[in-house]
Amino acid sequence: RKEVEQDPGPFNVPEGATVAFNCTYSNSASQSFFWYRQDCRKEPKLLMSVYSSGNEDGRFTAQLNRASQYISLLIRDSKLSDSATYLCVVTGTSYDKVIFGPGTSLSVIP
Amino acid sequence: GAVVSQHPSWVICKSGTSVKIECRSLDFQATTMFWYRQFPKQSLMLMATSNEGSKATYEQGVEKDKFLINHASLTLSTLTVTSAHPEDSSFYICSARGDREQYFGPGTRLTVT
Repeated sequence: RKEVEQDPGPFNVPEGATVAFNCTYSNSASQSFFWYRQDCRKEPKLLMSVYSSGNEDGRFTAQLNRASQYISLLIRDSKLSDSATYLCVVTGTSYDKVIFGPGTSLSVIP
Repeated sequence: GAVVSQHPSWVICKSGTSVKIECRSLDFQATTMFWYRQFPKQSLMLMATSNEGSKATYEQGVEKDKFLINHASLTLSTLTVTSAHPEDSSFYICSARGDREQYFGPGTRLTVT
């Protein structure tokens, strides 16, 4: 089983739609959780951290369920500029070691 | 915010030659840096953890004699791809941990002909 798994995608949604990404991780001792965004041929950029209490940043909401080892990202009112690959990221038992999920591609269509 | 640079941003080399990629943390010190490789339409795969002043830790399946890592200072780690082959063509990205998050370099696109 892979350490971090995500919806395979791709997701093709119209502007204004709400889209949700799911991610699961295998190591219950994982320390921290993040969503990164990667545009084509560019390095990943941090989108938001994920906390057990859930957190929201504008149109983006992230949630963590430690018991189920599940992370989600919700994007409301999708914009064309949201088109990218979204990477679920988990730090391993060594806090600094960062493990990437395979990514889910999102295309927002006019 | 913290910045990580990489050099070169892209390189084309002939099969059998060696290529060195530099990763620098520009405004913070990083005792640990990470090297990733990303093939087209795939996610980033951790290759190795670079530790300042000690040997790098390689992930399973990554040849340490082929991918030489040197972390000689708190702001510089280098990855040397030795005797490069076309299958080594990939996007190589380094990262370093700042105060609150991992910062990624812009990546180096290596093409081996």
